[in-house]
Amino acid sequence: DGGITQSPKYLFRKEGQNVTLSCEQNLNHDAMYWYRQDPGQGLRLIYYSQIVNDFQKGDIAEGYSVSREKKESFPLTVTSAQKNPTAFYLCASIMEPGGSSGNTIYFGEGSWLTVV
Amino acid sequence: AQRVTQPEKLLSVFKGAPVELKCNYSYSGSPELFWYVQYSRQRLQLLLRHISRESIKGFTADLNKGETSFHLKKPFAQEEDSAMYYCALNESGGSNYKLTFGKGTLLTVNP
Repeated sequence: DGGITQSPKYLFRKEGQNVTLSCEQNLNHDAMYWYRQDPGQGLRLIYYSQIVNDFQKGDIAEGYSVSREKKESFPLTVTSAQKNPTAFYLCASIMEPGGSSGNTIYFGEGSWLTVV
Repeated sequence: AQRVTQPEKLLSVFKGAPVELKCNYSYSGSPELFWYVQYSRQRLQLLLRHISRESIKGFTADLNKGETSFHLKKPFAQEEDSAMYYCALNESGGSNYKLTFGKGTLLTVNP
């Protein structure tokens, strides 16, 4: 069953701790993205990666880090430096950035992170 | 500066009424625009894109470069259209695919 999988769905973190959210896709997609979704804020881009071993900062990268060691995986680490980490995090992927009109970005089901 | 603006946070219409969800963008290059929809407890998914000029679930959207708008329209709203709608802009163009989303509009279609 092809798709994009995020885990865990729900995560609680104590202040001062780092936490890593997993995003895996078996769609053979080249590009992967992390967004943060807050009420009234829409989706804001954190980091994105067009190709393995390369990634770029999005609009709100401070306090986050990523890696892209494998094509199918793009984990997001929320560090203790992120001042307001409680949010819903969405991972997405697309096969060929800038490709044909049939190209579509696919989203995972999301991960809820709560800092306690 | 906001690159994608959806001026209405909430929009409520009655079943069978026309609906228009507004989207304005700010981009100096040639824009590539999309509408995404998120139904309750479902994943965010693509509704339509301007380059394919298609009608999905009765929705259409026309890119107006003069007004820098990409409003989503449907002549007769249905209850199942109730969802969160996001307008999105690929502002990098070419192979550097970077989607910027608006803040979204929650559409409620009342019976």
